[in-house]
Amino acid sequence: DGGITQSPKYLFRKEGQNVTLSCEQNLNHDAMYWYRQDPGQGLRLIYYSQIVNDFQKGDIAEGYSVSREKKESFPLTVTSAQKNPTAFYLCASSGGPYNSPLHFGNGTRLTVT
Amino acid sequence: GESVGLHLPTLSVQEGDNSIINCAYSNSASDYFIWYKQESGKGPQFIIDIRSNMDKRQGQRVTVLLNKTVKHLSLQIAATQPGDSAVYFCAEKLTGGGNKLTFGTGTQLKVEL
Repeated sequence: DGGITQSPKYLFRKEGQNVTLSCEQNLNHDAMYWYRQDPGQGLRLIYYSQIVNDFQKGDIAEGYSVSREKKESFPLTVTSAQKNPTAFYLCASSGGPYNSPLHFGNGTRLTVT
Repeated sequence: GESVGLHLPTLSVQEGDNSIINCAYSNSASDYFIWYKQESGKGPQFIIDIRSNMDKRQGQRVTVLLNKTVKHLSLQIAATQPGDSAVYFCAEKLTGGGNKLTFGTGTQLKVEL
């Protein structure tokens, strides 16, 4: 069935290492998004992509990078430059260009020690 | 209601009662609003949306009310069930803002048996 798959569910890394989070969707959606969620807080937008080979920074892009080489895939790299990388990362997609809800995956919990 | 900080506002209701979750949104230029439900360890799940040219929209057991005069959004859940226990987020989208959503900090709904 259609949906958004994020992997892995839990990820552990040492400080100073880059790490890439996977996000795949089979909904044939054009737009994809990455959000970060910290305990007891709302979601904050990291990056988004409205079409293949194009992406824009969100509100908290520093220390992150993305690519959008395929419609179904939007991987997020958390670099060593991100000061507080430990968080719950959520990937989403949307099918319409305007005023359509985002559909979310079940997240990756990243812990950096 | 919603607030900034690590401690989510909590609403406790008895099973079978109606729940009302409130959200004060920030921007009068927002034209689209969504309510999401998030269970522990999972991604947000779409509940209902409303456009700014409406003031009420009903779904199955849920109703969203929009008061643009005071920038207030509410989610009403009828006959609340234990499975409704979760964190509820409102999200807004600015007019002309592509499909980027800005999320509130969430309200924890606890259903008591």
